[in-house]
Amino acid sequence: QVRLQESGPGLVKPSQTLSLTCTISGVSVSTGSHYWTWIRQQPGRGLEWIGHIHYTGNTDYSPSLKSRVTISVDTAKNQFSLHLSSVTAADTAVYYCAREYRYADTTFDYWGPGAPVSVSS
Amino acid sequence: QSVLTQPPSVSAAPGQKVTISCSGRTSNIGDNYVSWYQQFPGTAPRLLIHDNDQRPSGIPDRFSGSKSGTSATLGIAGLQTGDEADYFCGTWDHGLTAVVFGGGTRLTVL
Repeated sequence: QVRLQESGPGLVKPSQTLSLTCTISGVSVSTGSHYWTWIRQQPGRGLEWIGHIHYTGNTDYSPSLKSRVTISVDTAKNQFSLHLSSVTAADTAVYYCAREYRYADTTFDYWGPGAPVSVSS
Repeated sequence: QSVLTQPPSVSAAPGQKVTISCSGRTSNIGDNYVSWYQQFPGTAPRLLIHDNDQRPSGIPDRFSGSKSGTSATLGIAGLQTGDEADYFCGTWDHGLTAVVFGGGTRLTVL
């Protein structure tokens, strides 16, 4: 059974870097066609795609966040991570990790439960 | 402002059918598959429809999807009170090289 679980600090100070990790169980992050994705949802708002990564290291990022985002993968630990720099209150959101079945098809078939992150001093 | 346009809310009575629209452009809906997600408060979204009209295992056939040109539609038949949730459409935008979502539609079953 495929499971994803986000982990990381629930509180980040303004101007610092938000770092989250998604731990995958039940499937290898190195499975051929899948992309591993971060999506966030600000309070009372819709879904916002942050970016995704293939185990080979290929990435795409949201144009609006590209200058501040890095997504990386650790095949040995079966994890992938999100780093968002220079955060502000606008980055307060629930952050989800998800599996994208294949590149650019938006079939997010497995999701983590979500990690609420607040940006505040 | 979301790239894809959805109505903020729809409502219908139990047992009836409702449709939720999702409008985009050639670079997103026109040229790519559309997916639909259901989200209850405080929980992660759940995949309802992928590849425009395909239901994953476990999704009842009351849920259907279609696409025509630069618009997509989610249909929910035989409405139940348990269908009250937010619904999101999503697709790839090759102009942006990014996933784009609609702003979401809240379904109320009266």
